[in-house]
Amino acid sequence: EVQLVESGGDLVQPGGSLRLSCAASGFTFSGYWMGWFRQAPGRGLECVASVRRDGNEKLYVDSVKGRFTISRDNAKDSLYLQMNSLRAGDSAVYYCARLDWNSLDYWGQGTPVTVSS
Amino acid sequence: DVVMTQSPLSLPVTLGQPASISCRSSQSLVNSDGNTYLSWFQQRPGQSPRRLIYKVSNRDSGVPDRFSGSGSGTDFTLKISRVEAEDVGVYYCMQGAHWPFTFGQGTKLEIK
Repeated sequence: EVQLVESGGDLVQPGGSLRLSCAASGFTFSGYWMGWFRQAPGRGLECVASVRRDGNEKLYVDSVKGRFTISRDNAKDSLYLQMNSLRAGDSAVYYCARLDWNSLDYWGQGTPVTVSS
Repeated sequence: DVVMTQSPLSLPVTLGQPASISCRSSQSLVNSDGNTYLSWFQQRPGQSPRRLIYKVSNRDSGVPDRFSGSGSGTDFTLKISRVEAEDVGVYYCMQGAHWPFTFGQGTKLEIK
């Protein structure tokens, strides 16, 4: 059974940093692109970043470029999102997802990030 | 970025009746590989999104056959042949043809 379990979400002050993790199981992690997506309270879904199978190609939405870094450790079946210079607008539930057919076939349960003073 | 526009945004439906959600994109969703990357997701209250349909009309494993997707180019539709109580939630379309992937605003389906 495919499982994605996020962790690391927290309350952080504006300008602060946070690192999210996603532990994957039930599939060959190194065989899939992976991504981070977010959903602000009461709002829709937004793409944040994605990373190729080998970790050597990374894509970001413009609003997080230069502030967020996606990475993966295929030996540990884990996906990460390093978030720096956080803003109030980054407050959301962050989901880890597996990419398949340019879509997201499995999602984690999400981890909440709140940026507030 | 590709803008995805869904309608209606609110969809009250009587149990057992059909429902239809429209999704239009600001650009063609035909990728350079020839595939059309349009997906549909269901998000039940308090849950993570769940994919129902990928590449316009391919139903995911375990998705009831009352759900179907159709369309081409920039115009797509999700249909539920007979709405059941468990279908309550928000439905999103998403394009995966162009980065960044983008979602529609969501359509909230409720039972009348």
